[in-house]
Amino acid sequence: GAGVSQTPSNKVTEKGKYVELRCDPISGHTALYWYRQSLGQGPEFLIYFQGTGAADDSGLPNDRFFAVRPEGSVSTLKIQRTERGDSAVYLCASSLGPPRTGIKQETQYFGPGTRLLVL
Amino acid sequence: GENVEQHPSTLSVQEGDSAVIKCTYSDSASNYFPWYKQELGKGPQLIIDIRSNVGEKKDQRIAVTLNKTAKHFSLHITETQPEDSAVYFCAASLINGNQFYFGTGTSLTVIP
Repeated sequence: GAGVSQTPSNKVTEKGKYVELRCDPISGHTALYWYRQSLGQGPEFLIYFQGTGAADDSGLPNDRFFAVRPEGSVSTLKIQRTERGDSAVYLCASSLGPPRTGIKQETQYFGPGTRLLVL
Repeated sequence: GENVEQHPSTLSVQEGDSAVIKCTYSDSASNYFPWYKQELGKGPQLIIDIRSNVGEKKDQRIAVTLNKTAKHFSLHITETQPEDSAVYFCAASLINGNQFYFGTGTSLTVIP
């Protein structure tokens, strides 16, 4: 079946501009995660949605970053007033359900990422 | 918060040899340790994981070991093949935690 998809695959923008990155999770997956991956680094957690609500947004670096998931499926990561330091690969992942105490951790399935370059 | 360190950053092995990647973590509360393989231009893909109540887990040519006392865990790939070439990431989290803390990655090259 279809995996996690992300659009666009690449985005080049100028410093100060606004960008939106889209994630389509696997159908039926209720949990959705955003990560940021800088060159040569591992993914860094940004935000986690369970259904429509942001259950954990502690990884968002500042208030220029915001994410929504209005219908509990597609999610959009929004970055205002972009800075050169925002350049990275933004990864989205989804899992079937939420993390549950004492039960096998739900596998997170990652999309291919959006490569954002801020000039 | 959790800090995960991963070594080596690059690793080259001859086809058929074994490869070992090591990670350490700082938070003794972490109890779930997945390993991901990331090929160029793709997102990370889970290859194996281990919970803290298990010391070792094996899946064909891949095995992971965990030492809770020392807070380190390792990935072992035997009989390496060129298609094993990729970047491998370790991660740690609470088993009911939202956040995965990733290592910095190991670029594995298997030389035919």
